[in-house]
Amino acid sequence: EVQLVESGGGLVQPGGSLRLSCTASGLNINTFAMSWVRQAPGKGLEWVSSISGNGENTHYAHSVKGRLTISRDESKDTLFLQMNSLRVEDTAIYYCAKTQLWFGELLDYFDYWGQGALVTVSS
Amino acid sequence: QSALTQPASVSGSPGQSITISCTGTTSDVGGYNYVSWYQQHPGKAPKLIIYDVGNRPSGVSNRFSGSKSGNTASLTISGLQAEDEADYYCSSYRSTSTLHVFGTGTKVAVL
Repeated sequence: EVQLVESGGGLVQPGGSLRLSCTASGLNINTFAMSWVRQAPGKGLEWVSSISGNGENTHYAHSVKGRLTISRDESKDTLFLQMNSLRVEDTAIYYCAKTQLWFGELLDYFDYWGQGALVTVSS
Repeated sequence: QSALTQPASVSGSPGQSITISCTGTTSDVGGYNYVSWYQQHPGKAPKLIIYDVGNRPSGVSNRFSGSKSGNTASLTISGLQAEDEADYYCSSYRSTSTLHVFGTGTKVAVL
């Protein structure tokens, strides 16, 4: 059974930084494309960022480009989302998800999801 | 990034069938068969129930089915059950720098 577990969420002031982590059981994170998807309180889902299986391709939503960075530590089998220059509108539950990504850029679907990590940006 | 358009709510009685629409453009839903659907119960993570327009992952009930016509995709839930009460989101690949877009979400109520 595949399980994804996010950690690192919390309360941060506007302009601050936070790093989310995602670890997996039943799945080698280093082998598959992975993504971060977020959901603001009471709102819908929003794709944030993806990384290809070989790590050569990364993609970002316009709203986070230049502030959030997706990466992977193969030695720790962990996916990260480094979040800098955070804004109030970044407040959301952040889910990591295994992703079907064709040719490094055709994002098809998200087939396994973690339970999410809550990030609150507030003064 | 503009979201795909879904009705805010759909309701039905147990045993009935309901259909949720998801309208996009030729840059996403209409141009590719990379349409997927997710079920989300309150306080839970989303769950993939349909991928590539009409395919069901292993373990998903065959009461869920998907289709597409032009720029509109549809999710049909047949034999509606109380456990189907949840939020449903469509999503699609988009051939712009946005890469991927979700629908606005539909709340399904079982009367």
